[in-house]
Order: sequence, then structure tokens, then C-alpha cells
Amino acid sequence: DTAVSQTPKYLVTQMGNDKSIKCEQNLGHDTMYWYKQDSKKFLKIMFSYNNKELIINETVPNRFSPKSPDKAHLNLHINSLELGDSAVYFCASSLYPGTDEQFFGPGTRLTVL
Amino acid sequence: SQQGEEDPQALSIQEGENATMNCSYKTSINNLQWYRQNSGRGLVHLILIRSNEREKHSGRLRVTLDTSKKSSSLLITASRAADTASYFCKSNTGNQFYFGTGTSLTVIP
Repeated sequence: DTAVSQTPKYLVTQMGNDKSIKCEQNLGHDTMYWYKQDSKKFLKIMFSYNNKELIINETVPNRFSPKSPDKAHLNLHINSLELGDSAVYFCASSLYPGTDEQFFGPGTRLTVL
Repeated sequence: SQQGEEDPQALSIQEGENATMNCSYKTSINNLQWYRQNSGRGLVHLILIRSNEREKHSGRLRVTLDTSKKSSSLLITASRAADTASYFCKSNTGNQFYFGTGTSLTVIP
């Protein structure tokens, strides 16, 4: 009965590889988000989709590409991984964009070697 | 596009004491939310206060909002070891929102 789930929980990979993180929510929400949290716990919004449409696209390298096959799923694909991509990535969802309460997944800890 | 700042960055108190953390933001808001993040977990919503409210309570949590100073505070009364976590404010303006930098709270048993 997990509300927002992410896979994998841990991801260790070499520089230059391509990897994907998957996110699914079973709350019936229209809006989903990807965040990056660095080692200082600074939380940075990367992308947001509302009903499969991209509504927030912050300044992130174009090596990061979100994909929303339906409104319950928002996946994050990262090409040519770099050391600086090491962080914890959180998926979240909300009923409506912006001001609404957000529900977070457990996070994916990405380590690039 | 971070616009919220929280202080202190870190706070360490004894169990049973009260913990106060503050959040400042830069533009007018519709509402402000507080979230808790336990170590190794995602953020969990605690409480929402609307721009026309000045104070709100939920159990041992008390939130105040001062829109003239563009600031909010979260008070946790009678703290417990289980309150050890990071706390973030999230200010919301229309469809824009901003998380604060977070306060790391340690409650010593």
C-alpha cells in the first residue's frame, strides 16, 4: 500500500554510464516531481509533470530526461553520468501543482564512481 | 530557485525541551507548509498554514506566520528522541513553491 514508490533504492555506477530511476504513485494524483538532494540536504526541484505534461523544467543538464508514460508514473533517465550527479533523488506527487501538500517517495541514493 | 532560508541550520536539545526553528521567505505567499525528513527517508508533510492565519496547532506542533516579516516558525513542545530529523519549510505562491534550506534537529535522550 505504498503511496509513492521508487526503484531502485540504491544505485552505484561508473562515470559515463546511463541509468534510469522509476517512480510510481497510487494516490490518484495529477502532479509528480523529481528532486535532487545533495550532501548538505539542499533540496532542488528538477522537473514537474501535471497529467503527463511538463510544467516545471528547472536548469538541469540536458543529460537528465524525465518521462511520464501516464500520470501515475514519472521516470528519470540520466545519460553520461558524472561524479557531481551523486546525490539522493526524490520523487513526489501532489493532487494539484504547486501549493498542494506533496507526498514523497523514499529516495534513490545514486553514487557515481 | 531556492528562496527560503531556515535557521538555525542545526539545533541540539535535551528530551523534554522545546525546539523552535524559523523560516524566512522572499515573496508573498498563499500558504506555507512544514515537512519533516527522518534520516534516509523522504519528506513528510506536517502542517499547513494559510496566509490569512497567524497561528496553527497540531498536537505538539505550533506554527506561526508573520506575513509582514515574511517569516514563519515551527515550535515542537516537549521534544522526544523520535523528533530527531531535518525540518523544511515550503512557501507557496500560485503555482510556484520553494523549499527552505532545512534545520537539522537532534533530541538527546
